Amino acid sequence: ETGVTQTPRHLVMGMTNKKSLKCEQHLGHNAMYWYKQSAKKPLELMFVYNFKEQTENNSVPSRFSPECPNSSHLFLHLHTLQPEDSALYLCASSPLDREGEKLFFGSGTQLSVL
Amino acid sequence: AQKVTQAQTEISVVEKEDVTLDCVYETRDTTYYLFWYKQPPSGELVFLIRRNSFDEQNEISGRYSWNFQKSTSSFNFTITASQVVDSAVYFCALSDMDSNYQLIWGAGTKLIIKP
Repeated sequence: ETGVTQTPRHLVMGMTNKKSLKCEQHLGHNAMYWYKQSAKKPLELMFVYNFKEQTENNSVPSRFSPECPNSSHLFLHLHTLQPEDSALYLCASSPLDREGEKLFFGSGTQLSVL
Repeated sequence: AQKVTQAQTEISVVEKEDVTLDCVYETRDTTYYLFWYKQPPSGELVFLIRRNSFDEQNEISGRYSWNFQKSTSSFNFTITASQVVDSAVYFCALSDMDSNYQLIWGAGTKLIIKP
């Protein structure tokens, strides 16, 4: 079983749809992250959760809504997205060892907004 | 402000050649961490190495080696005797107190190893 699992791998949605991305980590880590990766742009940190509490929200539009019910699961709820939101969404976890976080990533969800 | 620059957008070499990926960083902190990650076509970013700012020793792991030079603010990555499986996008990243130890990423270097 891989350390960080993301579903679905691919998602196509219209601008009026509501969908959710799911992430699960089996590494016993205490921090989870959502990143956005667009073509030709650096990785963008979206949200960070430490021990289920949100600690970072990098000015992400409200059409992205994260949820972290426990340290092993992380969701990203999507609604009324725009075509420019099409990207690879990556989930990661880390052990919170306070030495510069070493992140473990899932394979990502490739999102296309039509 | 912190910054990570990977000036090489894409590098293409023939298998068995050595290749060096450059990374230059900027930070005001004296304590910071540097990272390299690999992203193969499958999409998952794979951690390769983490170094802290107090450890300037170069590191070798099999065909991979890293050269950390504080004097030039560089943390370069060399693959010796490259293989087709090394084809991927490689990211350099920095974390420091200013960033609340979140990663500041470079834009990545796409490495193509031709058979």
